[in-house]
Amino acid sequence: DAKTTQPNSMESNEEEPVHLPCNHSTISGTDYIHWYRQLPSQGPEYVIHGLTSNVNNRMASLAIAEDRKSSTLILHRATLRDAAVYYCILRASPRILTGGGNKLTFGTGTQLKVEL
Amino acid sequence: EAQVTQNPRYLITVTGKKLTVTCSQNMNHEYMSWYRQDPGLGLRQIYYSMNVEVTDKGDVPEGYKVSRKEKRNFPLILESPSPNQTSLYFCASSGTGYSNEKLFFGSGTQLSVL
Repeated sequence: DAKTTQPNSMESNEEEPVHLPCNHSTISGTDYIHWYRQLPSQGPEYVIHGLTSNVNNRMASLAIAEDRKSSTLILHRATLRDAAVYYCILRASPRILTGGGNKLTFGTGTQLKVEL
Repeated sequence: EAQVTQNPRYLITVTGKKLTVTCSQNMNHEYMSWYRQDPGLGLRQIYYSMNVEVTDKGDVPEGYKVSRKEKRNFPLILESPSPNQTSLYFCASSGTGYSNEKLFFGSGTQLSVL
């Protein structure tokens, strides 16, 4: 199963943009790149996902490298409420003929600290 | 409101006493899964289910059982809990098991096995 690599922690100042990197050099052609975040004492929540093209939503932007071996989650203006652990994962589609393909590996994520 | 509901939120038990953690979703999702979260190890998948009566092992299935008799429910069963199963557990669901579906997570169950 494809794995992702993220820095353990990053820091940002409030109101500044934050770029959270993720490496996934073993990504397969149909794997989607998903980002989730986990606030203290809560379950993970969805942030954004994409396949090849860059994606934008109300929470963040996702920039995907042309070779798809890395991606970057962009928070345009970090706030104190964005302090969380951010997980980058690869989600594969199920393998119809051989089964499986739905294991999901979250890793330890990036702890984002936001300061005033 | 669309949600994944886990119960109980906190559970303290003793070694060997069978327990069940319930998970229910109200979104008619086909895919459901269980994770455990331990300090320094991130989230690890225990079991997942692609649909009713279809379940498969994740990365750490030892010591756990699951069942999927109805679409909305996916209970996690610990037949004989041990202290190394003390952890924070999360249930998640998505519309299908396909790669473009986003996951919805429950609020978690903190389990302590003494």
